[in-house]
Amino acid sequence: TQLLEQSPQFLSIQEGENLTVYCNSSSVFSSLQWYRQEPGEGPVLLVTVVTGGEVKKLKRLTFQFGDARKDSSLHITAAQPGDTGLYLCAGAGGAQKLVFGQGTRLTINP
Amino acid sequence: EPEVTQTPSHQVTQMGQEVILRCVPISNHLYFYWYRQILGQKVEFLVSFYNNEISEKSEIFDDQFSVERPDGSNFTLKIRSTKLEDSAMYFCASSDTGIFGYTFGSGTRLTVV
Repeated sequence: TQLLEQSPQFLSIQEGENLTVYCNSSSVFSSLQWYRQEPGEGPVLLVTVVTGGEVKKLKRLTFQFGDARKDSSLHITAAQPGDTGLYLCAGAGGAQKLVFGQGTRLTINP
Repeated sequence: EPEVTQTPSHQVTQMGQEVILRCVPISNHLYFYWYRQILGQKVEFLVSFYNNEISEKSEIFDDQFSVERPDGSNFTLKIRSTKLEDSAMYFCASSDTGIFGYTFGSGTRLTVV
């Protein structure tokens, strides 16, 4: 069974600080996706990383896929209150199936 | 921006009743999915659908569940005889490639009483 473990599960920091969220597995994934989910809404895709070692940037967010394609990280620089939300990583684990992590609930305090 | 539309947004049903959750995927997408999220838990894969047939399903997707694409636009999930433990948010998603990320709908909150 493929599992993705996200850490930390909860993170509360001050505006302007940097943070990193981790997504780890013992399994290899063909791609890894990061989503953001607001309360009562569906996940919204932020980025997909496909190649081992790949780094993608989305404004202040930097996503990295591990060399072995088993782990990923999301780094936010100079966090803002608008970054508050639930961040989910999801690995493509088979024919058209995503395995989700349990999520990281991020709170940015003004 | 194209959206995946789900109806209804909320559904309350009595245990043992049948429910049909409806989804309109993005029009040029070819891959369709149902996921569910029990309150406070992970998003879980239920089923994927491509070329008018199920391509993969999870252990959760037992004989009580079925999916259908009755016409060119709708994609439905039927739960034949609902149980209390079926209470969850059900998300429909679609993808053009099946690889580079999905577009999820806003979900249907199903409450079985």
